[in-house]
Amino acid sequence: SQTIHQWPATLVQPVGSPLSLECTVEGTSNPNLYWYRQAAGRGLQLLFYSVGIGQISSEVPQNLSASRPQDRQFILSSKKLLLSDSGFYLCAGGRGGHTEAFFGQGTRLTVV
Amino acid sequence: QQPVQSPQAVILREGEDAVINCSSSKALYSVHWYRQKHGEAPVFLMILLKGGEQKGHDKISASFNEKKQQSSLYLTASQLSYSGTYFCGTEIPGGTSYGKLTFGQGTILTVHP
Repeated sequence: SQTIHQWPATLVQPVGSPLSLECTVEGTSNPNLYWYRQAAGRGLQLLFYSVGIGQISSEVPQNLSASRPQDRQFILSSKKLLLSDSGFYLCAGGRGGHTEAFFGQGTRLTVV
Repeated sequence: QQPVQSPQAVILREGEDAVINCSSSKALYSVHWYRQKHGEAPVFLMILLKGGEQKGHDKISASFNEKKQQSSLYLTASQLSYSGTYFCGTEIPGGTSYGKLTFGQGTILTVHP
């Protein structure tokens, strides 16, 4: 079965510092991969999605970026964090179409 | 393009029923339903693929009306464990949106003893 590994679980970073969150997938090949952000008590905001290596679609203009250097690896980055970047970041993966997406356990990011 | 869920919140007593609706302004390829407990990752409930499809397990079921671009989640004889935030996710067929999975804003369901 498919498993999404995401780390770290919690992260506290100062404003202006860089960010790198990594997500890896087990149990399937060529998955669709997603990064979502969830503010406290809010919905799941799609940030980036990828249908293959090097193919990234950005949904929300911001100071975040994503990369997919390998089939089962998806990275979320920022060069300089803002206070507004705080939130719960979730990586998800799926084969698209007829199948469900699986979520990682999430990273709770607090920018101070 | 984000689907719209209603209601935003529901409060129930154990044993009561609830319906959560999800609608889209665009034609849908599939509808996904997830439940999220506080501080945890969303957990998959079911996926509906064809217009008119209905699915269910235990006392949670869902329907998909492709013509109306709507889906509904039915929770029957609710249990305390049903509490959480329910999200519908939608995929739009083809074009530049291929592979894109977007979620509604969520419906907070609270079940009291």
